[in-house]
Amino acid sequence: QSVLTQPPSASGTPGQRVTISCSGSSSNIGSNYVYWYQHLPGTAPKLLIYNNNQRPSGVPDRFSGSKSGTSTSLAISGLRSEDEADYYCATWDDSLSVWVFGGGTKLTVL
Amino acid sequence: EVQLLESGGGLVQPGGSLRLSCAASGFTFSNYALSWVRQAPGKGLEWVSAIIGSGGSTYYADSVKGRFTISRDDSKNLLYLQMNSLRVDDTAIYYCAKQTGTTVKYSLHYWGQGTLVTVSS
Repeated sequence: QSVLTQPPSASGTPGQRVTISCSGSSSNIGSNYVYWYQHLPGTAPKLLIYNNNQRPSGVPDRFSGSKSGTSTSLAISGLRSEDEADYYCATWDDSLSVWVFGGGTKLTVL
Repeated sequence: EVQLLESGGGLVQPGGSLRLSCAASGFTFSNYALSWVRQAPGKGLEWVSAIIGSGGSTYYADSVKGRFTISRDDSKNLLYLQMNSLRVDDTAIYYCAKQTGTTVKYSLHYWGQGTLVTVSS
């Protein structure tokens, strides 16, 4: 059971907008920056969003992040086939003094 | 360019030990916190351990506390994970990750390609 809760799956057709949610608590999402990672099996996880809503250089502006209270979400607009991957939210938990990850959301592009 | 290269993975029997290494380049190694994160087969990402910039404070997931030890050699730009009393459920790809500052609570920004640890008899 992950500390952060994500839906196990999401899907959309090319060009659509998809949103992936992630919920936590006051000791993690509520009091720290949130990060989103894209992961393809067998490869290094890639940072998509840092500090709640910032994109590293090279990440398309189709990806956006937002945070409100103890929840956060990742939005992907103009969905493309290469977006098919696993997506994880993550943050530091002040009470546990550990990093916590969501269970991951498998995105399928139909 | 930041580069992280893990090594040391392999097949080990339950109860055995293994030491993973992560060779870093492209940044001032001692200035940054570093973490180990793993992914077991068919499972999600799980943070394992972190160490602050210039050593000192270390942090561990409950699942590995007392069995794993994280350390760093800033003179060699190397991060280590000593894994003792290994269990079958420690089987995973282990990634090292560079964080954005000296403290451990900020972004796991860059990741290595990972090294596979298999614990089996």
